[in-house]
Amino acid sequence: KAGVTQTPRYLIKTRGQQVTLSCSPISGHRSVSWYQQTPGQGLQFLFEYFSETQRNKGNFPGRFSGRQFSNSRSEMNVSTLELGDSALYLCASSPSSSYNEQFFGPGTRLTVL
Amino acid sequence: EDQVTQSPEALRLQEGESSSLNCSYTVSGLRGLFWYRQDPGKGPEFLFTLYSAGEEKEKERLKATLTKKESFLHITAPKPEDSATYLCAVRRNRDDKIIFGKGTRLHILP
Repeated sequence: KAGVTQTPRYLIKTRGQQVTLSCSPISGHRSVSWYQQTPGQGLQFLFEYFSETQRNKGNFPGRFSGRQFSNSRSEMNVSTLELGDSALYLCASSPSSSYNEQFFGPGTRLTVL
Repeated sequence: EDQVTQSPEALRLQEGESSSLNCSYTVSGLRGLFWYRQDPGKGPEFLFTLYSAGEEKEKERLKATLTKKESFLHITAPKPEDSATYLCAVRRNRDDKIIFGKGTRLHILP
């Protein structure tokens, strides 16, 4: 069974640009969550989608947004990039929103110059 | 504010030297506590879910326990391949959000 895939794996952008990251969950999984991981703050929850609806949202500014498609694939977008947005962005999937175990992808390493 | 605090931040052990990692939490209404392992350059890998005080789970050299305020991850006779960052997380009842601790970096010396 294929795991969670994230594309691209690495990305370099400059301040002010926008970026879109993609996540394909494990087949059959309908819940997708996004996290930002930095050395200083650790893993911080961004948002969770289930059946194309945002179910939960973390404490991030409105520049961070996401969506989920009917095939459960998800994208997250960050507009007007800031230096502090440099981080590893992780996507996790699970069969349902009430299922506790999450399966993480390898992440997208975003560097903002 | 709900928090998850892990200690120590980093731990170096000799191969075979058993120890414990701590995860203390302040969450009003715990739905579940999770342990993950993360290797460099990879996403976290699920290890255990604990639901109620007194519960224990084991997997190879790892054993996780839960009390009302903290969880321990006991590592018995560790091997170099156990070197990784171990993450603790809690899911709270009121909104289902998951809060992660900052992790413990474990290094096992051969």
